Amino acid sequence: IAGITQAPTSQILAAGRRMTLRCTQDMRHNAMYWYRQDLGLGLRLIHYSNTAGTTGKGEVPDGYSVSRANTDDFPLTLASAVPSQTSVYFCASSDSFTSGANTGELFFGEGSRLTVL
Amino acid sequence: EDQVTQSPEALRLQEGESSSLNCSYTVSGLRGLFWYRQDPGKGPEFLFTLYSAGEEKEKERLKATLTKKESFLHITAPKPEDSATYLCAVRRDDKIIFGKGTRLHILP
Repeated sequence: IAGITQAPTSQILAAGRRMTLRCTQDMRHNAMYWYRQDLGLGLRLIHYSNTAGTTGKGEVPDGYSVSRANTDDFPLTLASAVPSQTSVYFCASSDSFTSGANTGELFFGEGSRLTVL
Repeated sequence: EDQVTQSPEALRLQEGESSSLNCSYTVSGLRGLFWYRQDPGKGPEFLFTLYSAGEEKEKERLKATLTKKESFLHITAPKPEDSATYLCAVRRDDKIIFGKGTRLHILP
C-alpha cells in the first residue's frame, strides 16, 4: 500500500537554488494539497488542486509554484529558495469537495524536510 | 484573522487521567470540523468529521463534540500511546485550514 509518496525525504539547499518537491498518489483522488509545518505556526496551506489541470492559492503561496498535469502527481517548486522556506513540507490528497465526496479526510505523506542555508 | 484556535498548546497527563482539548473556530457557515492526530516525524492521520452542533463521534478513548463556536476532544483514561499532537481543522471553501495543535503527553 503506497498512498502518498513524497521525495526527497530530506534536503539541504543553498539559498537561491531552485528545488522541486515531488508528490505522487495512487488513490485516484481528485484533490491534492501542499502544506508547510513550522514550530509554533502549525500546518499552513501553500497551494491546492481540486482536479487535474487546476490549481489554487492557499494561505502562504508566495515563493512557491505548483502544477497538476495529471491526477497522480502534484510537484511543488521553489524557484529561488530563501532561508524562511526552511520547513517540513507535507503533501496530501483527498476526494474533492466539489464532487461532494469529501468527508474531510485528507491522506498525508510522510513529509519532506527542507533546510535552506 | 485566526480561523481555528486550539488550547492548550501542550498538556501533560498521568495515565488514566481524563481531560479535554479545545478548538474554537470563527468560520461562518461551518461545513465541517475535523480532528487529526500527528505522531512525531509523521504526517497527520484523520480521526473525525463533525458537521453540526450537538454531533458527537467516538473512537476508542477519544470522543469529539461540537457546539456552534467550539469543539472538544475528550480523552478518557488515556494511555501512553495516546501521546501525540492533536490537530483541529475546518473547511473554508475547497480548503482545509488547520489550527496550531495541542501536544499531548501521557505519562506512564
